[in-house]
Amino acid sequence: AQSVSQHNHHVILSEAASLELGCNYSYGGTVNLFWYVQYPGQHLQLLLKYFSGDPLVKGIKGFEAEFIKSKFSFNLRKPSVQWSDTAEYFCAFWTYNTDKLIFGTGTRLQVFP
Amino acid sequence: GAVVSQHPSWVICKSGTSVKIECRSLDFQATTMFWYRQFPKQSLMLMATSNEGSKATYEQGVEKDKFLINHASLTLSTLTVTSAHPEDSSFYICSAEQTGNTEAFFGQGTRLTVV
Repeated sequence: AQSVSQHNHHVILSEAASLELGCNYSYGGTVNLFWYVQYPGQHLQLLLKYFSGDPLVKGIKGFEAEFIKSKFSFNLRKPSVQWSDTAEYFCAFWTYNTDKLIFGTGTRLQVFP
Repeated sequence: GAVVSQHPSWVICKSGTSVKIECRSLDFQATTMFWYRQFPKQSLMLMATSNEGSKATYEQGVEKDKFLINHASLTLSTLTVTSAHPEDSSFYICSAEQTGNTEAFFGQGTRLTVV
């Protein structure tokens, strides 16, 4: 079955620390990949997406993600986190085959000043 | 970005009653809307896909008679939880896609508690 695995359920960092959140998907065909962020009390927002082309994708607020097809991975990175990055992060993928978004379980990030 | 508004944000209802949740695309037309359910510490599970003017497509295991979906216009979809039971308590989220755009925009979610 198609699925997304986010290995880190809860990450706690100090400000200025570097961040990497893991995301692996299970599907052998062409995928569109997404990272969504949900700040406390707010709705899900798109952080970045990959459809094709350069596998290193830059998103909003200094986030980036790299699509590594051989590893079925789409890890999210940020070199220096801020307190305002405290949120829940969801990885998701979409395929033409299913025509729906499949989400991971999410990673809660807490950043302390 | 496009805005999707979900109402209400939270609702408490008695067991056996029905609850309607609205999902509106405020500044774009959404031919397709999605309804998700999220349990604590779990991922968003797609319940159904609704297309304007046609019947919703339900995911396996989702009772269509219990979770009634209506997508009567290009800006509004509703989810009605009929004869709600405590096990229906959950966080329900809708999303909408603009015509021809695979990017989805999400509502803020509705916390349903059935007592």
